[in-house]
Amino acid sequence: GENVEQHPSTLSVQEGDSAVIKCTYSDSASNYFPWYKQELGKRPQLIIDIRSNVGEKKDQRIAVTLNKTAKHFSLHITETQPEDSAVYFCAARRPGSQGNLIFGKGTKLSVKP
Amino acid sequence: GAVVSQHPSRVICKSGTSVKIECRSLDFQATTMFWYRQFPKQSLMLMATSNEGSKATYEQGVEKDKFLINHASLTLSTLTVTSAHPEDSSFYICSARDLDGVLSYNEQFFGPGTRLTVL
Repeated sequence: GENVEQHPSTLSVQEGDSAVIKCTYSDSASNYFPWYKQELGKRPQLIIDIRSNVGEKKDQRIAVTLNKTAKHFSLHITETQPEDSAVYFCAARRPGSQGNLIFGKGTKLSVKP
Repeated sequence: GAVVSQHPSRVICKSGTSVKIECRSLDFQATTMFWYRQFPKQSLMLMATSNEGSKATYEQGVEKDKFLINHASLTLSTLTVTSAHPEDSSFYICSARDLDGVLSYNEQFFGPGTRLTVL
């Protein structure tokens, strides 16, 4: 089955700096890769996603890159702000009709003012 | 659009009792819903995939007789934790896909979660 590895587990940056979180996946047939932001005790919120036929996607300060050959994808947050502090999860959609997500272990991002 | 609700948001029960958690898609039909469990400071672990009108598909290591899933309609799935024990205390989150949604086809919409505490 699919396995998703995520690094680092914790990341501390200064406000205004960039943050990068990396994930690798094992199943080359996986075709959808979302990133979620989760604040304590709340539901995961989709912040950006990418499909396997695209190499990069950007939405304001957030971007995701995908390298299908290497089976890894990364989240890039530029000009970080204290409100970006949260736990971020990457995920990969397992191929098949039901398309359930397999999550990475998460990265706790702390943005210091 | 694409809102998923869960009820209750919090529940405290005694060991040995059963607890039912509801997951509803409010403005779309969800033929497939997913149930996750999240322990403190850990990731979301998929427990089972719930299919409307048929049996759920459980992940390896998840006891189907302990975690009963019913998906009786296109907008409602329930998870019943039977004979709950303290080790079942966790954050349970459901999600659903809007397979008819053109813009949201890929996305999974998450419920707000249910915090279960078993004493």
